[in-house]
Amino acid sequence: EAGVAQSPRYKIIEKRQSVAFWCNPISGHATLYWYQQILGQGPKLLIQFQNNGVVDDSQLPKDRFSAERLKGVDSTLKIQPAKLEDSAVYLCASSLDPHGAGGDAYEQYFGPGTRLTVT
Amino acid sequence: AQKVTQAQTEISVVEKEDVTLDCVYETRDTTYYLFWYKQPPSGELVFLIRRNSFDEQNEISGRYSWNFQKSTSSFNFTITASQVVDSAVYFCALNPTGRRALTFGSGTRLQVQP
Repeated sequence: EAGVAQSPRYKIIEKRQSVAFWCNPISGHATLYWYQQILGQGPKLLIQFQNNGVVDDSQLPKDRFSAERLKGVDSTLKIQPAKLEDSAVYLCASSLDPHGAGGDAYEQYFGPGTRLTVT
Repeated sequence: AQKVTQAQTEISVVEKEDVTLDCVYETRDTTYYLFWYKQPPSGELVFLIRRNSFDEQNEISGRYSWNFQKSTSSFNFTITASQVVDSAVYFCALNPTGRRALTFGSGTRLQVQP
């Protein structure tokens, strides 16, 4: 079974430029998450999708960050314009529909991440 | 609100030593899941274990063991006879009711010296 795919793996941009990250979750996983991991910290949720609807975007800086999950499969996270403090690893994760039975439905599988450097 | 505290920022041991990584959590939910993830230098988060709040049995998997104590809100992780390949950052995480995103601790960096 293929894992969570993310691209690009690395990106370097200048501040005020825009950037987009792509995530393809595990087939059949209804829930998709974007996390931001700043160096030396644990990942923090940016946005959570259930199919193509947003469940939680309370910590997404909406003035510069946007995300979509068209057709309930792939997702794109965009930053425009980028700031120096956006330098981080952006992790995508997916899980089975949590309304299903069993603890396995809650397990999140993570992609390799995209390391963003803003100069 | 949920919170996970990993007070140990960095631990250094010599190969074959035992090491325990501490995790303390806070939640008002009565049903929740606890996790441990490993993040090697490659950066990918590797799932190690999931525990639900109703199961306080300790678990052992090879050299790894986990001690869940609801009374002290702790979920500690022990590596027995550590190896160099265990060097990584380890994260404890909380998922209240299992339907929301994970709340991670700040991680503990484990360095195992040969």
